[in-house]
Amino acid sequence: GNSVTQMEGPVTLSEEAFLTINCTYTATGYPSLFWYVQYPGEGLQLLLKATKADDKGSNKGFEATYRKETTSFHLEKGSVQVSDSAVYFCALNQAGTALIFGKGTTLSVSS
Amino acid sequence: GAVVSQHPSRVICKSGTSVKIECRSLDFQATTMFWYRQFPKQSLMLMATSNEGSKATYEQGVEKDKFLINHASLTLSTLTVTSAHPEDSSFYICSARDPLREPDTQYFGPGTRLTVL
Repeated sequence: GNSVTQMEGPVTLSEEAFLTINCTYTATGYPSLFWYVQYPGEGLQLLLKATKADDKGSNKGFEATYRKETTSFHLEKGSVQVSDSAVYFCALNQAGTALIFGKGTTLSVSS
Repeated sequence: GAVVSQHPSRVICKSGTSVKIECRSLDFQATTMFWYRQFPKQSLMLMATSNEGSKATYEQGVEKDKFLINHASLTLSTLTVTSAHPEDSSFYICSARDPLREPDTQYFGPGTRLTVL
């Protein structure tokens, strides 16, 4: 079945450091891929998405590229801020079904 | 993006009582909504898929008689936790899709923190 694997956290960085959170998936066909962010005590917010191979999703300085050949959708940001501290979830969706989530990666950024 | 609201944001109840949580799509019509449960420091667990005008589809292991889902209109789904017990304490999150604008994208509500004493 379909699944999502993302790197274990927590990830601890200093402000302005480069961020990578790895995400790989298993699916038949061509799923849509997503990154969601969850701030403490809140629901999930859509951060970015990509719907086909080689698409790049981007938002608020975050980027992720849909790599079919490596079945990956790694999240990157060139310079993190304290306000980026949150839990990040990689997810996939296929044929209108419910999202399948990774386990989440906690990011902590210190000043 | 589309906006989804949940009410209440927090609820504390006594063991044995029932609690209703509402999920509304504010600026779109959602034929399908989803209900998730999240334990501390864990990922989201899909409980059920709520389809407007028909019965919900529950995931394996989720008691449909305990977690009643009603999707009576295109903008409202409700989850009722019946005869709640302390082990039902959790963070419940709903999501909805806008089938006309972005059928592959789910937008999430802010969540409801349920505490059963």
